[in-house]
Amino acid sequence: GQNIDQPTEMTATEGAIVQINCTYQTSGFNGLFWYQQHAGEAPTFLSYNVLDGLEEKGRFSSFLSRSKGYSYLLLKELQMKDSASYLCAVRPDGSGNTGKLIFGQGTTLQVKP
Amino acid sequence: DAGVTQSPTHLIKTRGQHVTLRCSPISGHKSVSWYQQVLGQGPQFIFQYYEKEERGRGNFPDRFSARQFPNYSSELNVNALLLGDSALYLCASSEMGGAGELFFGEGSRLTVL
Repeated sequence: GQNIDQPTEMTATEGAIVQINCTYQTSGFNGLFWYQQHAGEAPTFLSYNVLDGLEEKGRFSSFLSRSKGYSYLLLKELQMKDSASYLCAVRPDGSGNTGKLIFGQGTTLQVKP
Repeated sequence: DAGVTQSPTHLIKTRGQHVTLRCSPISGHKSVSWYQQVLGQGPQFIFQYYEKEERGRGNFPDRFSARQFPNYSSELNVNALLLGDSALYLCASSEMGGAGELFFGEGSRLTVL
């Protein structure tokens, strides 16, 4: 089966650091993605991990452990505009079917002043 | 450059009717995927098309069908609409190879009454 788990909601304070965890069990693995989705808008790409380790991109970092089926998204120096839903997604198949992602339910992050 | 464009943005149908949703990918992208996103959930994979051929199908009934045209635009068709088909339908385009991140359109919000 395909299963991706992430917390439903999180709250953090402006300027702080927050870590959003994601665990997955999928029939195959060909990369893990994090997307940001503001209410009523399209998901936008944040990060991609296919090898174990940390990928850093500005205030956002993403970590992957394939042996543990685990990833996290780290957001630093939180801003009010970071209030959004954060979607963890796994690509289970390789080339030829790269358009298929399995998404978690999303984590709604609320940043408070 | 234009991103992924979808039409219509909003529509209301009644049970039993048929709907056609349209998507134009980013210029140069040959892969188009369709997702259904119910309120409060992550997107669910419906179809992927690449070079006008179906490359993947999610767990959706035969009432759902799609096709891709020579210019790589795509249509999603849903027959015999049910109340449960009310959702945001997202189209995503991608390049084959590399990370192949998906770029999402703003979606078509379908309400079935």
